[in-house]
Amino acid sequence: AQSVAQPEDQVNVAEGNPLTVKCTYSVSGNPYLFWYVQYPNRGLQFLLKYITGDNLVKGSYGFEAEFNKSQTSFHLKKPSALVSDSALYFCAVRPPSNRDDKIIFGKGTRLHILP
Amino acid sequence: DVKVTQSSRYLVKRTGEKVFLECVQDMDHENMFWYRQDPGLGLRLIYFSYDVKMKEKGDIPEGYSVSREKKERFSLILESASTNQTSMYLCASRRQLTSGTSNEQFFGPGTRLTVL
Repeated sequence: AQSVAQPEDQVNVAEGNPLTVKCTYSVSGNPYLFWYVQYPNRGLQFLLKYITGDNLVKGSYGFEAEFNKSQTSFHLKKPSALVSDSALYFCAVRPPSNRDDKIIFGKGTRLHILP
Repeated sequence: DVKVTQSSRYLVKRTGEKVFLECVQDMDHENMFWYRQDPGLGLRLIYFSYDVKMKEKGDIPEGYSVSREKKERFSLILESASTNQTSMYLCASRRQLTSGTSNEQFFGPGTRLTVL
């Protein structure tokens, strides 16, 4: 079955330190990959996506993600965390052969940036 | 600036009531989606619509129906609300895909529904 996994329910990082939020996927073929962020009492906001090309994708608010085909991963990263980055982060994947074009969301990872 | 709005931020209904959740987008997007979000379960797709008057079942359509009479509006209907439908409901829209692309979805702020 096609799926996306975010192995950590919560990640704690000190302000100013680099952060990583992990995502792995299980789909056939070359998927399209996304990261979204949800701030408290808000809907999801798009951060970045990987379609094809350069494995390192840069997105909003200084975030980037690296597509690793051999490890089937798409980890979200930021060199220096801010307290305002504290939020719920969702990884999502669209399988390339998905006829009806649904995308699959992970369960989310709550990121806490400690002052 | 793109915008997806939902009719209510908070809603409290009683078991058995018929509930309407409205979603409007101003981006002329063809595709629209309804999800529910529950702790530990992430987002689950209820229904989606490719275009006006079109609808497709998502992963958890039971107990729900939808209506898309106009391009900008996508309504979610709970025919007879039950307590297990207490959840956060998120609407999203997206421009129709073309070959070799995958567009992001734009989300509304959500409706937190409580069924008593």
